[in-house]
Amino acid sequence: AQSVTQLDSQVPVFEEAPVELRCNYSSSVSVYLFWYVQYPNQGLQLLLKYLSGSTLVESINGFEAEFNKSQTSFHLRKPSVHISDTAEYFCAGGRCSNYKLTFGKGTLLTVNP
Amino acid sequence: GAVVSQHPSRVICKSGTSVKIECRSLDFQATTMFWYRQFPKKSLMLMATSNEGSKATYEQGVEKDKFLINHASLTLSTLTVTSAHPEDSSFYICSATTGTTEKLFFGSGTQLSVL
Repeated sequence: AQSVTQLDSQVPVFEEAPVELRCNYSSSVSVYLFWYVQYPNQGLQLLLKYLSGSTLVESINGFEAEFNKSQTSFHLRKPSVHISDTAEYFCAGGRCSNYKLTFGKGTLLTVNP
Repeated sequence: GAVVSQHPSRVICKSGTSVKIECRSLDFQATTMFWYRQFPKKSLMLMATSNEGSKATYEQGVEKDKFLINHASLTLSTLTVTSAHPEDSSFYICSATTGTTEKLFFGSGTQLSVL
């Protein structure tokens, strides 16, 4: 079975600092990989995805993630965070991009002034 | 972009009450909808997959008689928590997709509190 592991349950950082949220997936099958963001009291929003092609994918708000097949990782990074980036971030993977995703347990990113 | 509307956003019920949660795709036809349960500090747990016009497929460990799912039309799926008890208190989220998109669209979730 597919599994997705987020190594950090909470990541506190100061505003304008860089951040990396870690995600590893099981390599038993090839998968599509996603990062979703959940702001307080809201549903999930797709942040970025890796389906194929370039292993470095970017979001419109400055986040990027790199698919690393050898390390089975899909870590999320941002060089300089804002307070508005405070949210829960979920890594997810699946055999299909729109079907039965397996989610990690989430990482709470808290950006402090 | 596509919108999935989920209602209610928050509901408090007495123990033993049956609670219905609706998930609607507002501007597209959702051939498949998914229902998830999210515990505090935990990830989303897929409960069931719902295809329009057919019976839902439940994940292992999810009681189908406890969590009734109806996907009667291409724009509406409902989850009914029957005879809810405090242990059923949770955040429930739906998602929807069509047969022609690569994307999943999520509802905003329903916080169910059973007292």
